Amino acid sequence: IVLTQSPGALSLSPGERATLSCRTSESVSSNFLLWYQQKPGQPPRLLIYRTSSRATGIPDRFSGGGSGTDFTLTISRLEPEDFAVYHCHHFGGSPAFGQGTRLEIK
Amino acid sequence: EVQLVESGGGLVQPGGSLRLSCAGSGFSISGTYMSWVRQAPGKGLEWVSHIYSGDNTYYEDSVKGRFTISRDNSKNTLYLQLSSLRAEDTAVYYCATMTSPTYYYGLDVWGQGTTVTVSS
Repeated sequence: IVLTQSPGALSLSPGERATLSCRTSESVSSNFLLWYQQKPGQPPRLLIYRTSSRATGIPDRFSGGGSGTDFTLTISRLEPEDFAVYHCHHFGGSPAFGQGTRLEIK
Repeated sequence: EVQLVESGGGLVQPGGSLRLSCAGSGFSISGTYMSWVRQAPGKGLEWVSHIYSGDNTYYEDSVKGRFTISRDNSKNTLYLQLSSLRAEDTAVYYCATMTSPTYYYGLDVWGQGTTVTVSS
């Protein structure tokens, strides 16, 4: 299964809403669709599991949704610390990541 | 506090070998689902391998037959043996684990990574 994230990069201002997309090459179980955040020089951080559940300590401005082949990560109001790279991930028979979306400050 | 600390990375010639270690603390790695994920310079994340209950293992196709994942429960340490290394194996290698089954294979604890550079 191939995961394709769009856009590749997104330039927004603090306070704005960000919507990131992850499309899978075939329908997947929503139980195994996850999102990670990664900042420069740091390992990834688990944000969302089971498509829409926030991991411990993740603010409620982060939300995930979708089903089938189309999934989204939404950040309702961007904070300065949210500018990072976001990776979607499917844990299936062959675990795979998307190529990432870079969220940049405008 | 659950922590993972990787070591063992370095510069190696094509065709060479390395063994990466990932020492766990604050939890027992025995029977725990644990993974290796790598990131080539300036690139995205790539799943490498994982080990789970019963010490069952999985390998991504490009490393199958060259890499071996294992663990020593007495040392609470996960390993990744890298052999027949290629330039395209150059990356930061992270080990990671899931501390609660409610995360449905979400990796909520990661090490800081160890860098492998394959070059002559």
